[in-house]
Amino acid sequence: EVQLVQSGAEVKKPGESLKISCIGSGYSFSRYWIGWLRQRPGKGLEWLGIIWPGDSETRYSPSLQGQVSISADKSLSAAYVQLNSLKASDTAMYYCARQDSGTYSGAFDIWGQGTMVTVSS
Amino acid sequence: DIQLTQSPSSLSASVGDRVTISCQANQYIKNYLNWYQQKPGKAPRLLIYDVSNLKTGVPSRFSGSGSGTDFTFTINNLQPEDIATYYCQQYDDRLSLTFGGGTKVEIK
Repeated sequence: EVQLVQSGAEVKKPGESLKISCIGSGYSFSRYWIGWLRQRPGKGLEWLGIIWPGDSETRYSPSLQGQVSISADKSLSAAYVQLNSLKASDTAMYYCARQDSGTYSGAFDIWGQGTMVTVSS
Repeated sequence: DIQLTQSPSSLSASVGDRVTISCQANQYIKNYLNWYQQKPGKAPRLLIYDVSNLKTGVPSRFSGSGSGTDFTFTINNLQPEDIATYYCQQYDDRLSLTFGGGTKVEIK
């Protein structure tokens, strides 16, 4: 079964850092882009960035550049998103998702279960 | 940046109705337009890719159409299990990826 499994929920204080993992299985992890997205409570979906695990080429949302860092370890079939200097506004559900290379539009066909991040003093 | 405007933001329809959601881009986006369904507490699910292609396993009552800047998502014969929020999403050669604001579909 093709799946992405994310690390568990996190509760952090403002100013702290956080790294969320996403482990892929059931397919060739290195050969698909992995995207990171977030959804603030009651709000819509926001794209953070995307990585090619084969060589760690990364692209970021222009509005979030510098606020997040995306990395991958193809030997572990893992992708990561790191957020530094957390703020209350970073409270959200964070998703990783695989981009389907068989589409022109890079649709996200497989999603992780989500990781809830709560930032509160 | 490419922005997507979805309308309506919410709608209420009866079982068996036809439901239509609009997604308008502020600039030309070729056929790089996808549609997702998200149920409460769940990750989004891809339904339609490249404007009008139905993902394998998705019921045929879901469909998509459009071109250029104007796109439409349709549910024919609305079912109770279709209660969800639907999002359009565009992708511009990995330099810009955005979602519409979402449309919440409820049963009347």
